[in-house]
Amino acid sequence: EVQLVESGGALVRPGGSLRLSCAASGFTVSMYYMTWVRQAPGKGLEWVSIIFAGGTTSYAHSVEGRFTISRDNSKNTLYLQMNSLRPEDTAVYYCARAHTVVTRPFDYWGQGTLVTVSS
Amino acid sequence: DIQMTQSPSSLSASIGDRVTITCRASQSVAGFLNWYQQKPGTAPKLLIYSASNLQSGAPSRFSGSGSGTDFTLTISSLQPEDFATYYCQQSYSSRYTFGQGTKLEIK
Repeated sequence: EVQLVESGGALVRPGGSLRLSCAASGFTVSMYYMTWVRQAPGKGLEWVSIIFAGGTTSYAHSVEGRFTISRDNSKNTLYLQMNSLRPEDTAVYYCARAHTVVTRPFDYWGQGTLVTVSS
Repeated sequence: DIQMTQSPSSLSASIGDRVTITCRASQSVAGFLNWYQQKPGTAPKLLIYSASNLQSGAPSRFSGSGSGTDFTLTISSLQPEDFATYYCQQSYSSRYTFGQGTKLEIK
């Protein structure tokens, strides 16, 4: 059974850093596109970042240069390193797996982890 | 970046109604368009992928159509469990983007 479990969410001050983890089971992270999506309180979904199976990455303009997506194949875990955090980064962060069909929809999601950026 | 615009932003409907939600892309995304359903406090669920393909386990009352810049999600006969927020998402560009969402409420 495919499962994704996020952790690492916390209250952090503006300018601070945080690393989110997404532990995967039931499949091999390195063989799939993996992504992070966030949702600010009461708002819609915002795509954040993706790591392709070959290791190439892509970021939303709102986080580029501050966030880094990576994976540890030995731990079958996806990460999101978040630096220079801003209040507008406050959100529930979801990790998701992209289906292997050509349009790469996100077919499995974690339960989310809350990041709050506030002084 | 490719902008995705959904209409309407909110919709009131009754059980048994046929409902259509539209999604427009700021440039062509070919068939790289997916639809998700989200209920409060839970993660989104994939409903339709590649514009018109029903995800495994999704009810057959859901259907999708369109290509290029204009897409629709249709629910043929609303059920109580369908009241939720629906999002379209393009995966044509390496910077994926979501629509702003359509909240479907009970009339």
